[in-house]
Amino acid sequence: EDQVTQSPEALRLQEGESSSLNCSYTVSGLRGLFWYRQDPGKGPEFLFTLYSAGEEKEKERLKATLTKKESFLHITAPKPEDSATYLCAVQAGGGTSYGKLTFGQGTILTVHP
Amino acid sequence: DAGVTQSPTHLIKTRGQQVTLRCSPISGHKSVSWYQQVLGQGPQFIFQYYEKEERGRGNFPDRFSARQFPNYSSELNVNALLLGDSALYLCASSLAPSQRARVGELFFGEGSRLTVL
Repeated sequence: EDQVTQSPEALRLQEGESSSLNCSYTVSGLRGLFWYRQDPGKGPEFLFTLYSAGEEKEKERLKATLTKKESFLHITAPKPEDSATYLCAVQAGGGTSYGKLTFGQGTILTVHP
Repeated sequence: DAGVTQSPTHLIKTRGQQVTLRCSPISGHKSVSWYQQVLGQGPQFIFQYYEKEERGRGNFPDRFSARQFPNYSSELNVNALLLGDSALYLCASSLAPSQRARVGELFFGEGSRLTVL
């Protein structure tokens, strides 16, 4: 069964203090790994898709990387508005429904001014 | 452009009742997926529909059902509600592979918050 584990569960940073979030996964034939941001009471907001080991994607202060077993979301010089829950999800290959993502439990990021 | 819209945004039901949640996908998106998100956890896949047919089902009991209409909107029904059904129900839309879409790029609505008393 596909499994996604995110760490840490919660992370508190000072504004400008860079750090990384981890996503470890096991999946039968990775079709894609996805990062989402979720604000309280809102739906997840799509950030990145990574398809193969070695791939990297960047968006503003965020950079996502992928290996065969895990993905990292690097946050450079974060600002308070980056505070949110960051969700990692995988989609398996083969006959898996392309609407099915397996999510981790998320990392709650709080950035203090 | 309008994103994924869901209704109602909040609702309260009692055990044993039935609920219907509605979703309108982004214009041009033909696939709709439903997820349940319990507080403190990541979303869990319930169903995917494309072209009015069920294309995927998660590990949920038969009390959960869904359908998709010709205009690609969708409804999620839950019968005989239990306290454990209290959650945020998320609808996500996506392009179909036939539309040259990148797989897995789901776009979520704001959700319907269901409380079962």
